[in-house]
Amino acid sequence: AQSVAQPEDQVNVAEGNPLTVKCTYSVSGNPYLFWYVQYPNRGLQFLLKYITGDNLVKGSYGFEAEFNKSQTSFHLKKPSALVSDSALYFCAVSLSLGGNTPLVFGKGTRLSVIA
Amino acid sequence: DVKVTQSSRYLVKRTGEKVFLECVQDMDHENMFWYRQDPGLGLRLIYFSYDVKMKEKGDIPEGYSVSREKKERFSLILESASTNQTSMYLCASSPTIIGGSDTEAFFGQGTRLTVV
Repeated sequence: AQSVAQPEDQVNVAEGNPLTVKCTYSVSGNPYLFWYVQYPNRGLQFLLKYITGDNLVKGSYGFEAEFNKSQTSFHLKKPSALVSDSALYFCAVSLSLGGNTPLVFGKGTRLSVIA
Repeated sequence: DVKVTQSSRYLVKRTGEKVFLECVQDMDHENMFWYRQDPGLGLRLIYFSYDVKMKEKGDIPEGYSVSREKKERFSLILESASTNQTSMYLCASSPTIIGGSDTEAFFGQGTRLTVV
């Protein structure tokens, strides 16, 4: 079975500071990893994904994430946080591309960027 | 621009009613999903479908059914709504592509259902 853990329910960061939202995963095989963001009363928007190749992946809005196989982690990062980054962030994992193995999501981390 | 459209943003239904949540995608994706989102629990998979007329149970299928008669439409049905089904419901679709680059799931805007 596959699972995702987001150990922090809430992350607070000052505007302009770097931010990190943590994610660890557990799968029996090679993982495909995703980050999504949700703004209030909206659906989820795709941010970035790791499929294969470089461990550092870059995504939308200046976000990036680093795949670390030995630590089974896929932390989301941004060098300089904006107030507009305040939202709910979800990490997800799948064992295959496409839909035959649906995404499994973490419980989400609420990011609050303070001006 | 890719789109997954859910028929309602907000719904209020009475206990015992049969409720239909509709989802349509215009990306010709093979796979469609229904999740429910609750605070502190994240997204939990209710049902998914990888082809027309095919369906698979997710983690929490009890009290729900689904219908996929056409590729672009995936309906979630609450046979007899109960208050514990008050939640945000999210529909998603994704392609089945081997070696392709567009592999992520796309989500609708969500339907916030309140059962009273």
